Amino acid sequence: ILNVEQSPQSLHVQEGDSTNFTCSFPSSNFYALHWYRWETAKSPEALFVMTLNGDEKKKGRISATLNTKEGYSYLYIKGSQPEDSATYLCAFKEGNTDKLIFGTGTRLQVFP
Amino acid sequence: DAEITQSPRHKITETGRQVTLACHQTWNHNNMFWYRQDLGHGLRLIHYSYGVQDTNKGEVSDGYSVSRSNTEDLPLTLESAASSQTSVYFCASSEDGRRNNEQFFGPGTRLTVL
Repeated sequence: ILNVEQSPQSLHVQEGDSTNFTCSFPSSNFYALHWYRWETAKSPEALFVMTLNGDEKKKGRISATLNTKEGYSYLYIKGSQPEDSATYLCAFKEGNTDKLIFGTGTRLQVFP
Repeated sequence: DAEITQSPRHKITETGRQVTLACHQTWNHNNMFWYRQDLGHGLRLIHYSYGVQDTNKGEVSDGYSVSRSNTEDLPLTLESAASSQTSVYFCASSEDGRRNNEQFFGPGTRLTVL
């Protein structure tokens, strides 16, 4: 069974702080790495899909990097705001398949 | 606008009953997926389908079945509901054939088995 791990499990930060989380995945048979943002009582929504080693993606204050050789991805949030409070999920896509294996997520709470 | 819907949004049932959760998407996606979400486990794949008449077991398929008779729908059936199947269930869909295709999620169904 493939293992996708995320750390930390939860994070509490003050408004304005910058933060980052880690996603670890198998380094063999890599196909793609997804990041999703999941707000309470809503559905997960895709943030980034990354496919190439060294990829860097950015959306506003949120960015992500990818290292497929060592099997990790970082998600960064610059200047956290209360509306960034959510669970951030990463998901690994193996080989030439369309199914995802999700990590357990990092729950971020940003306090004003 | 294209969307993915689930019904019912909430369901309470009794142990041993058969329950079917509906998932309908208007994206015209070939790929459809069912997940369950439990504390400490994130999203776990139950069943998935890559097209009409195609179904596959996921990580936690015991006690569940799906059928795919058209592109738009992938109903999930609990043959004989058990308390361990109390969970929030999410349906998702995606395009096929592209490496970077994201999955689009429905709003979820909260199922309680008493």
